[in-house]
Amino acid sequence: KNEVEQSPQNLTAQEGEFITINCSYSVGISALHWLQQHPGGGIVSLFMLSSGKKKHGRLIATINIQEKHSSLHITASHPRDSAVYICAVIIIGKLIFGTGTRLQVFP
Amino acid sequence: NAGVTQTPKFQVLKTGQSMTLQCAQDMNHNSMYWYRQDPGMGLRLIYYSASEGTTDKGEVPNGYNVSRLNKREFSLRLESAAPSQTSVYFCASVGSPYEQYFGPGTRLTVT
Repeated sequence: KNEVEQSPQNLTAQEGEFITINCSYSVGISALHWLQQHPGGGIVSLFMLSSGKKKHGRLIATINIQEKHSSLHITASHPRDSAVYICAVIIIGKLIFGTGTRLQVFP
Repeated sequence: NAGVTQTPKFQVLKTGQSMTLQCAQDMNHNSMYWYRQDPGMGLRLIYYSASEGTTDKGEVPNGYNVSRLNKREFSLRLESAAPSQTSVYFCASVGSPYEQYFGPGTRLTVT
């Protein structure tokens, strides 16, 4: 069993829909990252969080440490949100990555 | 401020050839990492360097060597490339606390 599990693996949506991507992990962590990887390949960090909730524009990330679960929400999705979203947990200073959720948003 | 830079962007090698992937950061970070990304798998840690002069193995170090030349630069060397090393390689530097900054990646094909 992977230490970091993401769901769904693939997601398609119509523009304007509310999107949720889930991440579960099995061990104690220092913090959790949500990363975005565009088709061109570059990886950018969207959020790093260790408790509660963070919001940036249309993106919201939450984490429940007791339940070992995090969610990434995208409100009013747009085709430019199409990318792979990767959850990664920090364990003893190192990142363990999920396999990613591929999101396609159609106009 | 360029962040994290990697060279080359693309490379094709024949089995047995050697090459060095270069990574540099201008954010004065102590920690730097090399990852590989393969289809259907999460990024996996090859080697990391917690500070200048130190390096440690990650999850998949076999077939690779690294050098932390100075605080800015962290290189990854393939001494004898194998088709199993066909992958996309990412370098990252880590700020405080745990903020990850990734390079643009190197797409390597070994034939």
